[in-house]
Amino acid sequence: GQQLNQSPQSMFIQEGEDVSMNCTSSSIFNTWLWYKQDPGEGPVLLIALYKAGELTSNGRLTAQFGITRKDSFLNISASIPSDVGIYFCAGIGSGNTGKLIFGQGTTLQVKP
Amino acid sequence: EAGVTQFPSHSVIEKGQTVTLRCDPISGHDNLYWYRRVMGKEIKFLLHFVKESKQDESGMPNNRFLAERTGGTYSTLKVQPAELEDSGVYFCASSQDWRDSFYTFGSGTRLTVV
Repeated sequence: GQQLNQSPQSMFIQEGEDVSMNCTSSSIFNTWLWYKQDPGEGPVLLIALYKAGELTSNGRLTAQFGITRKDSFLNISASIPSDVGIYFCAGIGSGNTGKLIFGQGTTLQVKP
Repeated sequence: EAGVTQFPSHSVIEKGQTVTLRCDPISGHDNLYWYRRVMGKEIKFLLHFVKESKQDESGMPNNRFLAERTGGTYSTLKVQPAELEDSGVYFCASSQDWRDSFYTFGSGTRLTVV
């Protein structure tokens, strides 16, 4: 079945640093999504990407939909303590049902 | 607008027991999804309801799992009998249109089978 490989698995950074994480797949996705999960909460959508090559920003977050449609990255600039959480990439899978295929998640810790 | 509500938030049961998880989607959302995250791994799709019908149940692990959505409103996910490997966080999500990528997730039910 379709799978996403997300890296890195975890990151421990200093406040103010920039962060980058990415997802790759062996199959094509038509939509890429980036979610953040805070402790005890469900995933919340950060950025949605619909076109190959698309670069979208949401505040300090920037994400890109790879040209090959098989990868995406998320950058966070000037990290702050509230950026702590688990970040997931997700693609909308085949079958036209809206089923999401998730990456393994990147756990981000920010040291003040 | 109320979000997606899941109950209970935590459940600890013994192997062999039965547990029922409940999800109340956002009112008016026909599409309801169940997902599960086992510790440290990806969030995995379990199944998708459109109103009361199962659109896609390809992710259900085995026949110990039974999902229902009577009347097309709330949904339940029953695990009977529970096994150790069923432990994880079960998420429910809803959306108005399956083509809409703006799913809203609930806070999840953390299930621990001991």
